[in-house]
Amino acid sequence: KQEVTQIPAALSVPEGENLVLNCSFTDSAIYNLQWFRQDPGKGLTSLLLIQSSQREQTSGRLNASLDKSSGRSTLYIAASQPGDSATYLCAVRPAKGGSSNTGKLIFGQGTTLQVKP
Amino acid sequence: GAGVSQSPSNKVTEKGKDVELRCDPISGHTALYWYRQSLGQGLEFLIYFQGNSAPDKSGLPSDRFSAERTGGSVSTLTIQRTQQEDSAVYLCASSLVQGYGYTFGSGTRLTVV
Repeated sequence: KQEVTQIPAALSVPEGENLVLNCSFTDSAIYNLQWFRQDPGKGLTSLLLIQSSQREQTSGRLNASLDKSSGRSTLYIAASQPGDSATYLCAVRPAKGGSSNTGKLIFGQGTTLQVKP
Repeated sequence: GAGVSQSPSNKVTEKGKDVELRCDPISGHTALYWYRQSLGQGLEFLIYFQGNSAPDKSGLPSDRFSAERTGGSVSTLTIQRTQQEDSAVYLCASSLVQGYGYTFGSGTRLTVV
């Protein structure tokens, strides 16, 4: 059974710092991995999607890497800003079993980030 | 509409009552998902609709939960005889292609008292 773990659960950094959020998954049979952002009381916003054949994706100050064989992904945020404060969720789309036919995502529990001015 | 719309945004109900949660996906999106987010937990998959195919109900936690999608558009998640453990945020998402380009709604926060 695929399980997704995110460490740390919470992180507080001063503005301007570079930071790394970690995600690990137990089964390397995945189609893709996605990073989402969730603001309090809001839905999820997709940040980056990495296909299983890719190693990384970049969008602005965000860079996500994927090491499928070791079951790890990182989200790197450069020059953090107070507006980056949110919960960041990692999710994998399994490539095995019934899940592969539905596009169902398996989510981690998230890392709550606070960037202090 | 421009995004995925969910209603109500908040719902407080008494234990044992039935509730209906509504999701209006982005027009043209054939895939629709329901997830549940409990306090301190990650998102838990509930059910998936794709076009006219039979839905994937593998995530529904009990037979008190059901969902339908009428005309390939609006979806309703129904919880019968609500229990306190049903308290959570229920999120709906839609996508044009399964597994990619998810757009999430803001969710319905359900509190069972």
